[in-house]
Amino acid sequence: QVQLVQSGAEVKKPGASVKVSCKASGYTFTSYDINWVRQATGQGLEWMGWMNPSSGNTGYAQKFQGRVTMTRNTSISTAYMELSSLGSEDTAVYYCARSSTSDYSFDYWGPGTLVTVSS
Amino acid sequence: SYVLTQPPSVSVAPGQTASITCGGNSIGSKNVHWYQQKPGQAPVLVLHANGDRPSGIPDRFFASSSENTATLTVIKVKVGDEADYYCQVWLGTSDHQGEVFGGGTKLTVL
Repeated sequence: QVQLVQSGAEVKKPGASVKVSCKASGYTFTSYDINWVRQATGQGLEWMGWMNPSSGNTGYAQKFQGRVTMTRNTSISTAYMELSSLGSEDTAVYYCARSSTSDYSFDYWGPGTLVTVSS
Repeated sequence: SYVLTQPPSVSVAPGQTASITCGGNSIGSKNVHWYQQKPGQAPVLVLHANGDRPSGIPDRFFASSSENTATLTVIKVKVGDEADYYCQVWLGTSDHQGEVFGGGTKLTVL
């Protein structure tokens, strides 16, 4: 069965960077895009960007341009999202989600990783 | 930027029909997907844009759209349907548009 397993919760200081991992299993990792979506407490879903694990190509939301980097290690079927220059407004749960190849829906999601930014 | 507008909340009694709207410019010409999110859990895809339901999603959920409004309808609502619901649209890769989510609607089953 398809599974996306994410790394554990993080606590970071303002100005620092965080790198969250998303390990895929149950399907061919390079056949589906991975997206990252975040959700602040009590707020809605915010799309951050996508990555094609086969080519490494990425696309980032305008809001995160210059501050987010999405990478992958195909040998271990793992995607990464690194966010830099953290501020308190970046405190959120970060989800990875697989894109369906047919219609760009997010058909499988990871459980989420809580990132807390606090001095 | 493209905005999807959802009502913050919708309330319905068990057994009744709930309709959750998602407004957007010319949304009727776009692929709109719907997600359900229960407290403390990751979102779950409940409806593909073409109306298909993923495995395990009951046939009480269905979607429709008009020119500027997409609608998720849940018939014979159950207490277990209480959750936040989000619409989503893919805008393409130009100008960093990518994916857009609506603000979410909390469905309360009274």
